[in-house]
Amino acid sequence: AQSVAQPEDQVNVAEGNPLTVKCTYSVSGNPYLFWYVQYPNRGLQFLLKYITGDNLVKGSYGFEAEFNKSQTSFHLKKPSALVSDSALYFCAVRERSNDYKLSFGAGTTVTVRA
Amino acid sequence: EADIYQTPRYLVIGTGKKITLECSQTMGHDKMYWYQQDPGMELHLIHYSYGVNSTEKGDLSSESTVSRIRTEHFPLTLESARPSHTSQYLCASSDPLQTGYGRNEQFFGPGTRLTVL
Repeated sequence: AQSVAQPEDQVNVAEGNPLTVKCTYSVSGNPYLFWYVQYPNRGLQFLLKYITGDNLVKGSYGFEAEFNKSQTSFHLKKPSALVSDSALYFCAVRERSNDYKLSFGAGTTVTVRA
Repeated sequence: EADIYQTPRYLVIGTGKKITLECSQTMGHDKMYWYQQDPGMELHLIHYSYGVNSTEKGDLSSESTVSRIRTEHFPLTLESARPSHTSQYLCASSDPLQTGYGRNEQFFGPGTRLTVL
């Protein structure tokens, strides 16, 4: 079975500081990993994904994530946070042997203060 | 423009009413999904479809039903709405026809926020 854990319900950072949102996963075999962002009263927007290859993945809006197989983690990072990055962030995983269903984490609310 | 659409965006109805939430996509995708997002914001898959005439139950049991008569259209129906159905419903799609093999991201619609009084 596949699952995702986002250990932090909330992350608070000051604008201009680095932002990290943590994600760990559990799958049988190798995973496909995804990060999404959700703004109030909106659907989810895709940020980035890890499929294979380079462990450091770059995505939209200056975000990046590092796949760490030994730690089964896929933390989302941004070197310098903006107030506009305040939103709800979801990590998702799919086993490669699975069908097309994603398993989502519970979400992490990011607040960036000016 | 390729996109995924949901209507209505907001719906407030009384108990016992029949409702249909619409979802359409012009992405050329054959996989479509319905998620329920509860007040705690966690997403739960309630229905999915691999293509026309294909529908499956998701991980979270739901009293709703879905149909997939056309590739681009995936409506969700509640025969008799109850207050426990109050939630946000998100539709998504993925994987162009005959490609992807699960590596493609899902694209989400803006959601329908349903309130049953």
